[in-house]
Amino acid sequence: QKEVEQNSGPLSVPEGAIASLNCTYSDRGSQSFFWYRQYSGKSPELIMSIYSNGDKEDGRFTAQLNKASQYVSLLIRDSQPSDSATYLCAVIFYGGSQGNLIFGKGTKLSVKP
Amino acid sequence: DAGVIQSPRHEVTEMGQEVTLRCKPISGHDYLFWYRQTMMRGLELLIYFNNNVPIDDSGMPEDRFSAKMPNASFSTLKIQPSEPRDSAVYFCASSPTGQETQYFGPGTRLLVL
Repeated sequence: QKEVEQNSGPLSVPEGAIASLNCTYSDRGSQSFFWYRQYSGKSPELIMSIYSNGDKEDGRFTAQLNKASQYVSLLIRDSQPSDSATYLCAVIFYGGSQGNLIFGKGTKLSVKP
Repeated sequence: DAGVIQSPRHEVTEMGQEVTLRCKPISGHDYLFWYRQTMMRGLELLIYFNNNVPIDDSGMPEDRFSAKMPNASFSTLKIQPSEPRDSAVYFCASSPTGQETQYFGPGTRLLVL
């Protein structure tokens, strides 16, 4: 069973703090990992992708990947109220001739001014 | 550049009626994806096309659902007959490269009474 697990939240952090969002996945063979942001009533938007163990930074966002632990996280530094959204973790599970992109159900983040 | 275009944005229909959702991908994108999002099940891939050919339809819930892509700039998702459990937001996404980088349309919010 291919699964991507996230804490549904809500995760509430004060403005300026670091928000830490976590995700675990079921298939050790997965190679591609993504974070999408979805504002309420809007469509998902890709914000980060990561393929190798370690950290990947893009502005205030850092994605962290640990394949041995089957764990991927997203850190948001200096959180802003505009970061309040649901964050979806997505993983490509490979099997057969093609991969399948599976989304977690998302973690709702609320940044309080 | 215009993004992914979906129509209608909202649809309210009665059980048993046929529903047709439409999508125009971003020009030049060879991949088109149809998703369904509900609170209970999250974001689920229904089917995706590459160069107008269906590649993976394993997510299509049952025979009541069908999807077509007659040309590179248009796709439809049809539900016949519709049931209340089909109520969800349906997203179309397109990509130039595959599952790794997807651009989502605004979605169609479907309510089946």
